Amino acid sequence: SAVISQKPSRDICQRGTSLTIQCQVDSQVTMMFWYRQQPGQSLTLIATANQGSEATYESGFVIDKFPISRPNLTFSTLTVSNMSPEDSSIYLCSVEGGAQYFGPGTRLTVL
Amino acid sequence: GEDVEQSLFLSVREGDSSVINCTYTDSSSTYLYWYKQEPGAGLQLLTYIFSNMDMKQDQRLTVLLNKKDKHLSLRIADTQTGDSAIYFCAESMGSSYKLIFGSGTRLLVRP
Repeated sequence: SAVISQKPSRDICQRGTSLTIQCQVDSQVTMMFWYRQQPGQSLTLIATANQGSEATYESGFVIDKFPISRPNLTFSTLTVSNMSPEDSSIYLCSVEGGAQYFGPGTRLTVL
Repeated sequence: GEDVEQSLFLSVREGDSSVINCTYTDSSSTYLYWYKQEPGAGLQLLTYIFSNMDMKQDQRLTVLLNKKDKHLSLRIADTQTGDSAIYFCAESMGSSYKLIFGSGTRLLVRP
């Protein structure tokens, strides 16, 4: 199984600012994903991030709001841009490595 | 469209068996997953089953898949208070590997 870490684990941010979340995996993986879990809700896929190509966004999510980088096979970042209180959520990365494994999540609160 | 449904809440007594149910709509699902989320934590992969299997057992966990009815269940034997958590089922969508999650079932284990 893959071991995944995320930074930061939590943050409190002011509206209008941006936050970049990092996801690090202990092995090389082709497919990485970013999910959002709004308070009390289930998980929704934001985008698929494959190395060497642009991220593929799901309906309702756009690159200007959630830019993603995937510079190599072990690392990805998700930026939450121009934040509003509605962006307060847990953001989780996951990797496909025989099964799909999740990082511990980043708990974001926007004031 | 893609949809995964779960009952919202289950309460059992310690030592009893718990059965959490899930229905899905997409017959092209390749893998079906069960994840556990404890308060303030990320998603822990419990088990998964390939869509051509009927059953999978792993220690206290038994997964049953009825592909005809698109019904998935997770049975936890000898449920313990440490099993109290939210349990999510998810279906993996073909070659994209993206996951569609159910709403989660909150399991409460009473002493």
